[in-house]
Amino acid sequence: SQTIHQWPATLVQPVGSPLSLECTVEGTSNPNLYWYRQAAGRGLQLLFYSVGIGQISSEVPQNLSASRPQDRQFILSSKKLLLSDSGFYLCAWSNSGTSGISYEQYFGPGTRLTVT
Amino acid sequence: DAKTTQPPSMDCAEGRAANLPCNHSTISGNEYVYWYRQIHSQGPQYIIHGLKNNETNEMASLIITEDRKSSTLILPHATLRDTAVYYCIVRVVEEAGSYQLTFGKGTKLSVIP
Repeated sequence: SQTIHQWPATLVQPVGSPLSLECTVEGTSNPNLYWYRQAAGRGLQLLFYSVGIGQISSEVPQNLSASRPQDRQFILSSKKLLLSDSGFYLCAWSNSGTSGISYEQYFGPGTRLTVT
Repeated sequence: DAKTTQPPSMDCAEGRAANLPCNHSTISGNEYVYWYRQIHSQGPQYIIHGLKNNETNEMASLIITEDRKSSTLILPHATLRDTAVYYCIVRVVEEAGSYQLTFGKGTKLSVIP
């Protein structure tokens, strides 16, 4: 069966510090991978998605970046955190058809980031 | 993706069926209805999806009206662990490049002992 891991579970970082959140998926190959953010009391916002190694698409302009160095590894980074970066960060994966069709998404446990 | 409308909150007695409605009056022919739920401080969990026919799995049943303008998620025997925010989403699946899941505010279901 497939599993998705995220770490750390919680993180408190000062403004201006760097960020690195990691997500790995097991039990599947060539998944689509996603980073979402959920601000307090708000819905999920898609930040990045990836359909393959080294292929990253950004949905919103911001000071965050994403990388996919391996097939089942997705990393969210920032060089300098802002207060507005606080939130609940979720990684997700989905199967992808050869024609690019994307199916239901499965989410990881999330990382709660507080920028102080 | 089509917009959905859900009641902000609902209560359900433990052991009874929970029926969560969703209106999606602008749904188009190639859009599926998806349901996810999010238990507090956890990632969303996929529940079920359907296009036209009613669907059932080990978690829930999905009833879609004939005109597809609304649907109901049914949890047949609600337990305290079903307390969560339930999201109804409509989206195109059979389209390359369709990756966005647009979560609205959902329905907060409280299962009461």
